Amino acid sequence: AQTVTQSQPEMSVQEAETVTLSCTYDTSENNYYLFWYKQPPSRQMILVIRQEAYKQQNATENRFSVNFQKAAKSFSLKISDSQLGDTAMYFCAFMKPYYNNNDMRFGAGTRLTVKP
Amino acid sequence: DTEVTQTPKHLVMGMTNKKSLKCEQHMGHRAMYWYKQKAKKPPELMFVYSYEKLSINESVPSRFSPECPNSSLLNLHLHALQPEDSALYLCASSQPDRGNQPQHFGDGTRLSIL
Repeated sequence: AQTVTQSQPEMSVQEAETVTLSCTYDTSENNYYLFWYKQPPSRQMILVIRQEAYKQQNATENRFSVNFQKAAKSFSLKISDSQLGDTAMYFCAFMKPYYNNNDMRFGAGTRLTVKP
Repeated sequence: DTEVTQTPKHLVMGMTNKKSLKCEQHMGHRAMYWYKQKAKKPPELMFVYSYEKLSINESVPSRFSPECPNSSLLNLHLHALQPEDSALYLCASSQPDRGNQPQHFGDGTRLSIL
């Protein structure tokens, strides 16, 4: 079974600064996908960024980027120029696609607070 | 706007009641999921339907009964629930045959058992 570990239960950052959230995972698979989701108080889970394990290039989406280290099984999220709207719970997720569904498992989450 | 719609947004029920949670998506996705999320915890997978067939049941108690009437709809029937079943219930959908496709989530139903 795959496990996902987020070792930082809570973090805070000043507005406009940069913060990095950590995620490690354990798997024996070679083909898989990794995601970061955010869940603001409004409670909807929103996709932030995705990474395919077979791609060496780190994914980037505007202010969000990842540092994917496959050998170390590490997948950290960097948020640049933090904004108040980034305040949310952030979940790292591992997915191994099966034939007829995409089984996704989440880490425990990191609560990020952006301070004005 | 949410592409996965869940109703109701809030539900309060007694332990002897029967109720249903509903989920609808019109993105053409053929896999749909139910998750249970307790406060300050990650979502826990309950059920997966793929092409309208139940493909994963994560040892969920029988007081939870899923149903997938068609490719756009997913129901979760509730009966004789316990106080510990109070949680946020999230529905999600995805394309099952494209590995890098993420799951799209609804806003959830906040369920409280009296």
